Amino acid sequence: DADVTQTPRNRITKTGKRIMLECSQTKGHDRMYWYRQDPGLGLRLIYYSFDVKDINKGEISDGYSVSRQAQAKFSLSLESAIPNQTALYFCATSGSRDVQPQHFGDGTRLSIL
Amino acid sequence: GQNIDQPTEMTATEGAIVQINCTYQTSGFNGLFWYQQHAGEAPTFLSYNVLDGLEEKGRFSSFLSRSKGYSYLLLKELQMKDSASYLCAVLDSNYQLIWGAGTKLIIKP
Repeated sequence: DADVTQTPRNRITKTGKRIMLECSQTKGHDRMYWYRQDPGLGLRLIYYSFDVKDINKGEISDGYSVSRQAQAKFSLSLESAIPNQTALYFCATSGSRDVQPQHFGDGTRLSIL
Repeated sequence: GQNIDQPTEMTATEGAIVQINCTYQTSGFNGLFWYQQHAGEAPTFLSYNVLDGLEEKGRFSSFLSRSKGYSYLLLKELQMKDSASYLCAVLDSNYQLIWGAGTKLIIKP
């Protein structure tokens, strides 16, 4: 089984719909991240959480919200989806020391029509 | 502002050697990561450098020069499975990862 699991893997939806992307991990890591990836651009950080009671905005948090339900679960919501949120979304985790590599889920490909 | 530059695309031949460069300008520096990402898949960790010099790990090596704001990833004995994007990322003074756009490496037989 994957250490970092994202659901769904693919989603097509319409403008204005509410969408939730889920991430769960079995690595026992405290830190979790949500990124989006667009062609020709680097990974851009949306939100991150260093523990269950800690939520921080990243570079591009507008239009998104998150919930850290447990150490192992971190979900990303689009309250009212718009077409320019069409992208590949990745969840990642890392250990609690500052210099730790991040481990990524397989991604969710989201298309908003 | 913070900036990481990598070539967009490179082509190399199976069995050869290729060097992928990364230059960075960031607010502070706490290390540089290289990741590999096959098309449509998750990035996977390759290497981490925080001190100047070359780190070798099998067919892959990574070099860092902090004074020049420069790193490269060296891939030897290229195999078709090395066709992927290679992402450079810098940990800034706030321990935030700043990502480059990635270099797509195409391997030809």
